[in-house]
Parts: sequence; C-alpha cells; structure tokens
Amino acid sequence: DGGITQSPKYLFRKEGQNVTLSCEQNLNHDAMYWYRQDPGQGLRLIYYSQIVNDFQKGDIAEGYSVSREKKESFPLTVTSAQKNPTAFYLCASWDSHTDTQYFGPGTRLTVL
Amino acid sequence: SQELEQSPQSLIVQEGKNLTINCTSSKTLYGLYWYKQKYGEGLIFLMMLQKGGEEKSHEKITAKLDEKKQQSSLHITASQPSHAGIYLCGADGKGYNQGGKLIFGQGTELSVKP
Repeated sequence: DGGITQSPKYLFRKEGQNVTLSCEQNLNHDAMYWYRQDPGQGLRLIYYSQIVNDFQKGDIAEGYSVSREKKESFPLTVTSAQKNPTAFYLCASWDSHTDTQYFGPGTRLTVL
Repeated sequence: SQELEQSPQSLIVQEGKNLTINCTSSKTLYGLYWYKQKYGEGLIFLMMLQKGGEEKSHEKITAKLDEKKQQSSLHITASQPSHAGIYLCGADGKGYNQGGKLIFGQGTELSVKP
C-alpha cells in the first residue's frame, strides 16, 4: 500500500534534548512538507522540500532542522533551541499529477 | 493575520441536521482544498476546487467555490456522528505569492450529538 508513514506516534523529550521525527513516503512524490499543529491555530509550515537535496524554510523554521538525502525520506529534528516544542507534527507530500497534498498520521511530541 | 478565515470555529449539531462551514480568503483562490481530521490523527483529503462556481460532492458532503473565487463553503446534509472532527480548508499559496505551499485556515471543530 502506498502512503506516508510517521514514527513514532508519541514522543517524549526532556528539555535540552534534540529529537528527530521520521517521515517516509512510497508515493514517489517529489515535494514533502512538515507542519506543526497547535490547538486553535490550524497548521503552520516549518520546512518544505521540493526536490532531493534541497529544502526551504517555512513560516516557523526557528529551532528546527531538516534533511532530504533521499526522495522517500524527510526527517525533522526538533532542537533544544525550539522554545515551545510540545505540539502535533504532521508530514505531507505533494502529488503533482492531481495537485493534491496528502498527509501522514502525525507525531505528538511532548516535552517533559 | 490569518489569510484564510474559517467560520464558525466550532459547531455542535444534532444528528440528522444540515450544516455549513465557510472559508473566506482575502485574495483570489487558485485552488481550494478541504480536509477532515480526527483528533490526534492526520488530515484526510476530501475535495479540491479550482474553478469559480465549481461544486463537488462526495456522499453527503458538498463543497462549493464562489464565482469570485474568494469564498468556499462545505455543506453536510443529514449529519451523522461519523462526520464529527475538525474540518480545515487550505489554499494554493500562489495567490499569496507563496507558490509550492498550501495556506490553511484555523479549522472548524464539528461535534454531532446523537
């Protein structure tokens, strides 16, 4: 089955630690995205990548980093510089044939 | 400021009732997307509208894009508990000089009382 997978589903982190969220897709999509969702605020774009080995900052990139070494993978690292990292993180990819964005199941990150 | 405004922010309806959620843009919409989200889960794609006056339906959900392409509505007929969740509209960022990205509204939380 084709789709987008995110792992883990739940993640707990101590303050001061970096943590990496995984996003994998087998849809052969070129573009991938990371969003953060907080209650009542909709989705905010963190980073996006339109092609392998290239990525751009979104609206709230501070305290986050990404890499795009393979088409299938777009991991997001939440660094200790991110002041309020507790949130729900969603990964997405873009189907250029249908001009539609599809989402993974999300990772809920909690900082203890 | 929010570029896409959704209304209402939350909605509680009795099972069997009809309801409408609106999504308003300050700029022309080049592509308008509707998604549904269950709490703690990813977004499920519902429909995409591109042409002014376009209307699409899937089961009991109908989405419309107005002629001016600045407002979209999502209408649910005879609501069921399975319709409960958060509905989000997203717009092609091209209209906001942010091509290659989607701009999202803040979401509308729908509860359906049995």
